[in-house]
Amino acid sequence: DVKVTQSSRYLVKRTGEKVFLECVQDMDHENMFWYRQDPGLGLRLIYFSYDVKMKEKGDIPEGYSVSREKKERFSLILESASTNQTSMYLCASRAQTESNTEAFFGQGTRLTVV
Amino acid sequence: AQTVTQSQPEMSVQEAETVTLSCTYDTSENNYYLFWYKQPPSRQMILVIRQEAYKQQNATENRFSVNFQKAAKSFSLKISDSQLGDTAMYFCAFRTSYGKLTFGQGTILTVHP
Repeated sequence: DVKVTQSSRYLVKRTGEKVFLECVQDMDHENMFWYRQDPGLGLRLIYFSYDVKMKEKGDIPEGYSVSREKKERFSLILESASTNQTSMYLCASRAQTESNTEAFFGQGTRLTVV
Repeated sequence: AQTVTQSQPEMSVQEAETVTLSCTYDTSENNYYLFWYKQPPSRQMILVIRQEAYKQQNATENRFSVNFQKAAKSFSLKISDSQLGDTAMYFCAFRTSYGKLTFGQGTILTVHP
């Protein structure tokens, strides 16, 4: 069974803290993605990675960075958390092919910054 | 840049009836893929149906079907014989062969008994 695992379902952090959100997939997928989900805005892409050590900015990268040292793990880093980063964060992965392969998602991390 | 628009924030339907969710997109690409994802209260995103842009035939998966109008850049989802378990947020998504997946704003669907 396909599996994308996010390290926490709920997280509460203080303003200014450095926050790490971890995502692990067991499907040997090349592509991995981080989205944030906000009401009325849908899912917005923060960063994505085509392969190990490769990353590309998405639509809203400000205030975030990522790390992909191993193929199975893609980390999202909030260098200095702010209250406007309170959101639901979703990780996804997919195989890098030309076909219509779908993306598989983790169960999300609901982050609250206080 | 690609954009995806879902103009219906919320929809409701009676059990066993049919409902259609709308989606439009904008792209200059010719080769792309379209998806409908479902997100129930558990938050787990599940693929409902997919459509390749080069295929003229509309995709169907059991009670779910799409109406793909390439020239109009429209991709609606029809759910027939609605069931209580269909209650969820539905997202339309667009992907080029390049790989980046762009989502719409989502439509909350409630199925009433």
